[in-house]
Amino acid sequence: DVKVTQSSRYLVKRTGEKVFLECVQDMDHENMFWYRQDPGLGLRLIYFSYDVKMKEKGDIPEGYSVSREKKERFSLILESASTNQTSMYLCASRFTGTGSPGANVLTFGAGSRLTVL
Amino acid sequence: RKEVEQDPGPFNVPEGATVAFNCTYSNSASQSFFWYRQDCRKEPKLLMSVYSSGNEDGRFTAQLNRASQYISLLIRDSKLSDSATYLCVVTPHTGGFKTIFGAGTRLFVKA
Repeated sequence: DVKVTQSSRYLVKRTGEKVFLECVQDMDHENMFWYRQDPGLGLRLIYFSYDVKMKEKGDIPEGYSVSREKKERFSLILESASTNQTSMYLCASRFTGTGSPGANVLTFGAGSRLTVL
Repeated sequence: RKEVEQDPGPFNVPEGATVAFNCTYSNSASQSFFWYRQDCRKEPKLLMSVYSSGNEDGRFTAQLNRASQYISLLIRDSKLSDSATYLCVVTPHTGGFKTIFGAGTRLFVKA
């Protein structure tokens, strides 16, 4: 089975701190994603990456940046954390294709619950 | 208009009931369709893919209507363990291959 591992399950940071959220997948997937999930708002896409060093903004990229230097690793960076970035952050990966079993299916990590004080 | 819309519920049903969820999508060129299940404070997990011909997996049946741009999920003989949020997921056929999630439908199955 595909495994997506997020480095931290729970983090507490202070306003203005720089925050790194790490995600690693073990199935050589091309695509990786960062979402945040908030009550009543559902899953919102922050950034996604087609492949190494490739990235594209999602629906809510403001206040975030990403890094994908290796295919298996996709990092989300909060340059200066703010209280409105308190949320559950979910990383996911997938391979794309048509007709292949499992193609386009997102596999998620367990999530990182960030609290910014 | 949201790209993927679902009835948020909640649906409260007794054990053994049949319950159906619908989901509409706006992009007619959408390529892939899925239902995910999310338990409280857990990550979403794939429940089933949705194929043009419709597909069934045990008590769960998914159908796709491309002409009307909607997807449905039918759960028969509901179990307590089916209580969760069900997310409709669509992958548009665009260069970015973004995946779009509906806001989810909450289901409570009661004894």
